[in-house]
Amino acid sequence: AQTVTQSQPEMSVQEAETVTLSCTYDTSENNYYLFWYKQPPSRQMILVIRQEAYKQQNATENRFSVNFQKAAKSFSLKISDSQLGDTAMYFCAFKDNNNDMRFGAGTRLTVKP
Amino acid sequence: NAGVTQTPKFRVLKTGQSMTLLCAQDMNHEYMYWYRQDPGMGLRLIHYSVGEGTTAKGEVPDGYNVSRLKKQNFLLGLESAAPSQTSVYFCASSYGGHRQETQYFGPGTRLLVL
Repeated sequence: AQTVTQSQPEMSVQEAETVTLSCTYDTSENNYYLFWYKQPPSRQMILVIRQEAYKQQNATENRFSVNFQKAAKSFSLKISDSQLGDTAMYFCAFKDNNNDMRFGAGTRLTVKP
Repeated sequence: NAGVTQTPKFRVLKTGQSMTLLCAQDMNHEYMYWYRQDPGMGLRLIHYSVGEGTTAKGEVPDGYNVSRLKKQNFLLGLESAAPSQTSVYFCASSYGGHRQETQYFGPGTRLLVL
């Protein structure tokens, strides 16, 4: 079974600085999808960014970008110009073509003013 | 356009009681999912459905049943609740086919089993 590992339970960053959250995964599949979801205190799960494994180009969404290293099975999230509203739990997730979606345990990010 | 909604938002049950959680989506999505989230863990897939009238087991299906009688609704049932089922439950939906991969989540249902 696929596994997703987030090795940083908690991280903090100063407002306007850049922070990188780590994620590694284990799979024998070649085609799959990777996601970062944000969960603020409201508990709502919000999609931040996604990456298709067959695409070599790293996905970007405004201040959010990923570093996808397929051979290393690594999928890190970089948040630039951090804002107070970025404070949340961040979950890395993996999905194969069989609807099997696996989440990491999450990283709690605190943006300090 | 409400997206994905869940009913109820919070519920307290006694061990052995039964209940049904309702998930509704108005995006005409084919796929729907039920997850549970426990402290210190990510979401784990309980059951999912790839279309009206179909259901399938996920990672942690034991103790739960589901039904998808209408495309827009996905019900999660607990026939005999146990304290181990205390959790936050999330429903999600997604398009079918090649666009199936992005899931949209509901706000969650917090369930406490005493």
